[in-house]
Amino acid sequence: EAQVTQNPRYLITVTGKKLTVTCSQNMNHEYMSWYRQDPGLGLRQIYYSMNVEVTDKGDVPEGYKVSRKEKRNFPLILESPSPNQTSLYFCASSFISGANVLTFGAGSRLTVL
Amino acid sequence: QKEVEQDPGPLSVPEGAIVSLNCTYSNSAFQYFMWYRQYSRKGPELLMYTYSSGNKEDGRFTAQVDKSSKYISLFIRDSQPSDSATYLCAMSEGSGYSTLTFGKGTMLLVSP
Repeated sequence: EAQVTQNPRYLITVTGKKLTVTCSQNMNHEYMSWYRQDPGLGLRQIYYSMNVEVTDKGDVPEGYKVSRKEKRNFPLILESPSPNQTSLYFCASSFISGANVLTFGAGSRLTVL
Repeated sequence: QKEVEQDPGPLSVPEGAIVSLNCTYSNSAFQYFMWYRQYSRKGPELLMYTYSSGNKEDGRFTAQVDKSSKYISLFIRDSQPSDSATYLCAMSEGSGYSTLTFGKGTMLLVSP
């Protein structure tokens, strides 16, 4: 089944404790992206990647890091999480085309205490 | 002015009603227009997409784009309780690769 898989789905952590949210897709998509979704603010892009070793900032990159060492994986790293990073996170991927239709993962709900 | 505006709702309708969901936008370069459906605690899933102006129909769903007015709509006929979800519009310029710009979503509640 074609899908984007994120882990963990739920995580509670404390301020300053480094964490990584993994994302993997099995559709051979070139493009991958991370979003956060907050009430009243909608989906906001954190980082995106057009290909292996190519990443770029989205609208809200502060406090996050990403890497793209393999085409299928695009982990999101929070080096020193803070409470304002409590959110619902989505990984998404697509082929690079005019429409850029994204396939989303099921989401990772992160709480930072 | 925000790039894509969408009424957050909630929009409550009885089962069987015709639903109209709308977005307005300001960027005249947008060429691709999409609707995503997001159930509670799930990721958004693509419902429909259209290129440029016109209508597209898929079962009970019709997407409409009016580029002259910078206005897009999603119509749902014979709405069902299973249609209860948040509907997000999204748009892209479509030249090379361009990031999708999302509306904030409209919550739809269809009561039996």
